[in-house]
Amino acid sequence: AQTVTQSQPEMSVQEAETVTLSCTYDTSESDYYLFWYKQPPSRQMILVIRQEAYKQQNATENRFSVNFQKAAKSFSLKISDSQLGDAAMYFCAYRGNEKLTFGTGTRLTIIP
Amino acid sequence: DVKVTQSSRYLVKRTGEKVFLECVQDMDHENMFWYRQDPGLGLRLIYFSYDVKMKEKGDIPEGYSVSREKKERFSLILESASTNQTSMYLCASRDRPLYGYTFGSGTRLTVV
Repeated sequence: AQTVTQSQPEMSVQEAETVTLSCTYDTSESDYYLFWYKQPPSRQMILVIRQEAYKQQNATENRFSVNFQKAAKSFSLKISDSQLGDAAMYFCAYRGNEKLTFGTGTRLTIIP
Repeated sequence: DVKVTQSSRYLVKRTGEKVFLECVQDMDHENMFWYRQDPGLGLRLIYFSYDVKMKEKGDIPEGYSVSREKKERFSLILESASTNQTSMYLCASRDRPLYGYTFGSGTRLTVV
């Protein structure tokens, strides 16, 4: 079974600084997708960024980018120029054949 | 935008009650999912459905059942609610693989 590990339960960053959230996963599949979701206090899960495993190029969405290391099974999220609205729970997720498997989440606090 | 609507934002039920959590999506997605979210455990898959009247067990199906009589509606049923089922319940639907899942805003269920 696939597992997703987020080893940082909590992180904090100064506003306008850069922060990196870690995620590792375990799988025997060769074709899969990886995602980062954000869950603000409103509880709505919002897709932040996605990566197809067969693509070597790291995905980027505005201030959000990933460092995808397939051999190391690592998928970290970098948030640049952190803003107060980035404060939320962040979940890393893996999808292989059908199911979406989540990590335990990282709570990100932005310090004004 | 795809919308996934969960009928209740908060619910309080008594131990032993039969509880129905309703989820409706408006984009004709074939795949629908129920997760529960607990602090420190992330999101765990309870049940999912590929199509009408089809269902598959997820990682933690014990104590739950589901119903999918129409494509747009996926119901989670707690046959006899227990206090250890106090949790946040999230419904999701999926279309194209790359785009991950679209989530509802969750139902926070308290069983007393």
